[in-house]
Amino acid sequence: SAVISQKPSRDICQRGTSLTIQCQVDSQVTMMFWYRQQPGQSLTLIATANQGSEATYESGFVIDKFPISRPNLTFSTLTVSNMSPEDSSIYLCSVVGTSGSPSTDTQYFGPGTRLTVL
Amino acid sequence: AQSVTQLGSHVSVSEGALVLLRCNYSSSVPPYLFWYVQYPNQGLQLLLKYTSAATLVKGINGFEAEFKKSETSFHLTKPSAHMSDAAEYFCAVRAGGFKTIFGAGTRLFVKA
Repeated sequence: SAVISQKPSRDICQRGTSLTIQCQVDSQVTMMFWYRQQPGQSLTLIATANQGSEATYESGFVIDKFPISRPNLTFSTLTVSNMSPEDSSIYLCSVVGTSGSPSTDTQYFGPGTRLTVL
Repeated sequence: AQSVTQLGSHVSVSEGALVLLRCNYSSSVPPYLFWYVQYPNQGLQLLLKYTSAATLVKGINGFEAEFKKSETSFHLTKPSAHMSDAAEYFCAVRAGGFKTIFGAGTRLFVKA
């Protein structure tokens, strides 16, 4: 299993500013992901955080808006840049790959960071 | 590309009644399928997963799901609903790698 912590747990920010969210896992994992969950909606994958290289972004998400770092196998950060009220959402860190097999690996989720942009 | 469709954004049942949450998937390769539960203000918790072994999968809290390839379905059931089952439930598919795609979610209400 994997235990994931995220910081901050919540924040209220002014438009035009940036917020960096940290994700720490208690064990080395193969894959780390960042999801967004807008109010009352499902999870949307933002990007896959790749260790030592640029993240892989999904359609509709760009590096300038959501820069991601992953310096090692247990830590990643997501920055929400130049925020607007539309960025108000829960941001979730997720990991897969404690055993190396997509068929058997459970996907674990952090508790989320609840962001409100005024 | 894979996708997931959950039929019904809201489902309401009486306590003790059968719970049935519907999920249909689309995938060009044999999929792995998952059900997650999210309680208010909490993260997602895995209920159960199908990984190409038995088609009837049993999970936590008395839930189970049956993989039906001919119907491309993976419906979630529980024989008797409990008040504590009230939550949001997400069906998800993983095919051809580690990336998982989630359905829109179904909110389950349980009436006393």
